[in-house]
Amino acid sequence: DADVTQTPRNRITKTGKRIMLECSQTKGHDRMYWYRQDPGLGLRLIYYSFDVKDINKGEISDGYSVSRQAQAKFSLSLESAIPNQTALYFCATSDSAGPRYNEQFFGPGTRLTVL
Amino acid sequence: TQLLEQSPQFLSIQEGENLTVYCNSSSVFSSLQWYRQEPGEGPVLLVTVVTGGEVKKLKRLTFQFGDARKDSSLHITAAQPGDTGLYLCAGATSGTYKYIFGTGTRLKVLA
Repeated sequence: DADVTQTPRNRITKTGKRIMLECSQTKGHDRMYWYRQDPGLGLRLIYYSFDVKDINKGEISDGYSVSRQAQAKFSLSLESAIPNQTALYFCATSDSAGPRYNEQFFGPGTRLTVL
Repeated sequence: TQLLEQSPQFLSIQEGENLTVYCNSSSVFSSLQWYRQEPGEGPVLLVTVVTGGEVKKLKRLTFQFGDARKDSSLHITAAQPGDTGLYLCAGATSGTYKYIFGTGTRLKVLA
């Protein structure tokens, strides 16, 4: 079974709709992240969480919100989707313990299309 | 501001050729990771380099961290079609938590 799972894998929605992307992990890691990937722009950080009560904005948080429901679950919401939020979205985890704390482990991604 | 520049952006080579991908920055990194991403999947961690001058080998892949910990390279010997993918370097600058990804190198190995 995959260590980091994302649902849904693909989603097509309309402008103005609220949608939620979910991420679960079985790695036991305390840190979780949401990224979006656009052609030519690489991976950009949306939000990150270092533990259940910690939420931090990344470089492109406008239009997004997150919830860390448990150590293993981190969801991303688009309150009112717009076409330029069409992208690949990835969840990632890392473990703050030990010297390899920067290593990140990614889910398979969600392809989101906003019409 | 993009702090990690990768070169080349695109590379198309024949099976059996060697290649080197570069990851450069003006900032010092506490460690640096290399990832490979295949179409439709998330990036997969290949290696972490921590010490300036460090060299790590993973089968036909050789990773080197610059002496000043500002740059890194990935060398692939005798490339195979299975090496095709997007290669990303990433790291956190020393003294801060700001984990950034490089611009990426898209490699295609032709059979």
